[in-house]
Amino acid sequence: KQEVTQIPAALSVPEGENLVLNCSFTDSAIYNLQWFRQDPGKGLTSLLLIQSSQREQTSGRLNASLDKSSGRSTLYIAASQPGDSATYLCAVGVNNNDMRFGAGTRLTVKP
Amino acid sequence: NAGVTQTPKFQVLKTGQSMTLQCAQDMNHEYMSWYRQDPGMGLRLIHYSVGAGITDQGEVPNGYNVSRSTTEDFPLRLLSAAPSQTSVYFCASSPSRVSGANVLTFGAGSRLTVL
Repeated sequence: KQEVTQIPAALSVPEGENLVLNCSFTDSAIYNLQWFRQDPGKGLTSLLLIQSSQREQTSGRLNASLDKSSGRSTLYIAASQPGDSATYLCAVGVNNNDMRFGAGTRLTVKP
Repeated sequence: NAGVTQTPKFQVLKTGQSMTLQCAQDMNHEYMSWYRQDPGMGLRLIHYSVGAGITDQGEVPNGYNVSRSTTEDFPLRLLSAAPSQTSVYFCASSPSRVSGANVLTFGAGSRLTVL
């Protein structure tokens, strides 16, 4: 069974810092991997989708990498801003229509 | 605004009661799904649908029923609510029948408390 882990559960950084969020998974046979952002009391917003054949995806200040062999993905956030404060969730596609989510990393960016 | 609409946003039930969580999308998406989110855990898939008339079970389907009579609507029914079903429920949709081919669009969630 695919297990997805995100460490740390919470992270606090000063504004302007570059940071990395980690995601690990137990089974390298994945369909794809997505990173989501969740604001308190809100739904999830997809940030980046990496297909199984890809190594990374970039969107603005965000860069996500995927290493299937080691069962890891990272989300790099450059020049963090207070507006980046949210919970970031990693989800691994286990087949065409099912995903396994990590519990998330709660990020706080202090002004 | 186009998107996924969930109702109600909040609901309190007593054990044994039944209710339906509504989900509607106006983007003509083929794929729709229901997840539950519990504290300290990742979202878990309850049921999903790849088109009208087609539904299937996810990771945690017990205690829940779904149907998909139209492309737009995908209601989730709790037949006999239990305290273990206290959770936040999210509906999500995707243009493709293959959820992983496109990003998922999530609703704002429905917070359910079962006493």
